[in-house]
Amino acid sequence: AQTVTQSQPEMSVQEAETVTLSCTYDTSESDYYLFWYKQPPSRQMILVIRQEAYKQQNATENRFSVNFQKAAKSFSLKISDSQLGDAAMYFCAYRGRSGANSKLTFGKGITLSVRP
Amino acid sequence: DAGITQSPRYKITETGRQVTLMCHQTWSHSYMFWYRQDLGHGLRLIYYSAAADITDKGEVPDGYVVSRSKTENFPLTLESATRSQTSVYFCASRRLAPEGGTDTQYFGPGTRLTVL
Repeated sequence: AQTVTQSQPEMSVQEAETVTLSCTYDTSESDYYLFWYKQPPSRQMILVIRQEAYKQQNATENRFSVNFQKAAKSFSLKISDSQLGDAAMYFCAYRGRSGANSKLTFGKGITLSVRP
Repeated sequence: DAGITQSPRYKITETGRQVTLMCHQTWSHSYMFWYRQDLGHGLRLIYYSAAADITDKGEVPDGYVVSRSKTENFPLTLESATRSQTSVYFCASRRLAPEGGTDTQYFGPGTRLTVL
């Protein structure tokens, strides 16, 4: 079974600074998808960024980028120029490509606070 | 408006009572999911459905029942609620992506259930 590990329960960053959230996963599959979801206090789950395992290039969405290390099974999220609105819980998630593995497995999440 | 909705948003019930949480999506997505979110556990999959009349267990199915007679609805029933089922419940949906593609999984706003 696939597992996703987020070992840091909490992190804090100064506004306008850069922060990196860590995530590791375990799988025997060679093709899969990885995601970062944001959950603000409203509880709504918001997709931040996704990465296809077959793509070597790291995904980027505006101030959000990932460092995908397939061999190390590592998938970290970098938030640049942090804003107060980035304060939220962030979940790393894994999904296999098809069949029984095509459902999201989440890490336990990390709470990010942004200091003004 | 198109989207995925859950009802009720908040529910308080007593131990032993039957409770049904509703989920409705307007996109005709093939896949639908139920998760529960608990502090320290992230989101854990309860049940999922790949199409109408096709359902399967997730990671934590005990004490829950689902049905999917129509593509757009995926109700979750707690047959005899227990205190350990106090949680926030999220419904999600995703379309069946074309071969080689992937699709975003969309989440409902969540239902906070308290079992006294």
